[in-house]
Amino acid sequence: ILNVEQSPQSLHVQEGDSTNFTCSFPSSNFYALHWYRWETAKSPEALFVMTLNGDEKKKGRISATLNTKEGYSYLYIKGSQPEDSATYLCAWVANFGNEKLTFGTGTRLTIIP
Amino acid sequence: NAGVTQTPKFQVLKTGQSMTLQCAQDMNHEYMSWYRQDPGMGLRLIHYSVGAGITDQGEVPNGYNVSRSTTEDFPLRLLSAAPSQTSVYFCASSYGGHSPYEQYFGPGTRLTVT
Repeated sequence: ILNVEQSPQSLHVQEGDSTNFTCSFPSSNFYALHWYRWETAKSPEALFVMTLNGDEKKKGRISATLNTKEGYSYLYIKGSQPEDSATYLCAWVANFGNEKLTFGTGTRLTIIP
Repeated sequence: NAGVTQTPKFQVLKTGQSMTLQCAQDMNHEYMSWYRQDPGMGLRLIHYSVGAGITDQGEVPNGYNVSRSTTEDFPLRLLSAAPSQTSVYFCASSYGGHSPYEQYFGPGTRLTVT
């Protein structure tokens, strides 16, 4: 079993504060790491797809970093807003050529106005 | 583009009944997959396809069949529904190929088996 773990499971953050959470994945056979944002009653939507060790990607107030050698990625949200409330999923892809995603169980973020 | 569409949105089945969940995409994506989402379990891969005519099993394939006769469609069949198959089912697609592409998810089908 290939484990992808996310921490914390849930998080409450005051509006305006910055926050971050972690995705841990197997460091061997790494191919790609995906981040998705999943709002309640909607479908997951892609934030980032990262492949290179040391990569950093940014979309507005959200950014992510990747460390493939030690098997972790951080997602950062700067100046949290109520619309950031969602579950954030990461998914690991191995270099087996079949592009299967193994998802973590997610971090549920609630922004307190 | 309609993106990824799924039907039905909701379904209630009795134990032992069979049904097909439909999934279609109009983005000419090679890769399609089915996930189930259960509380505390995240998204678990049921079956996937890297192109028309090619399917393979994911993490939790038992009790489900798939086929991929066209690039656009990837139906999921429940052969004999069981209460353990009560879940929300998501279909997803991506360009596939050698580069890692983001997946596009459908709106989901909420299935209850009584």
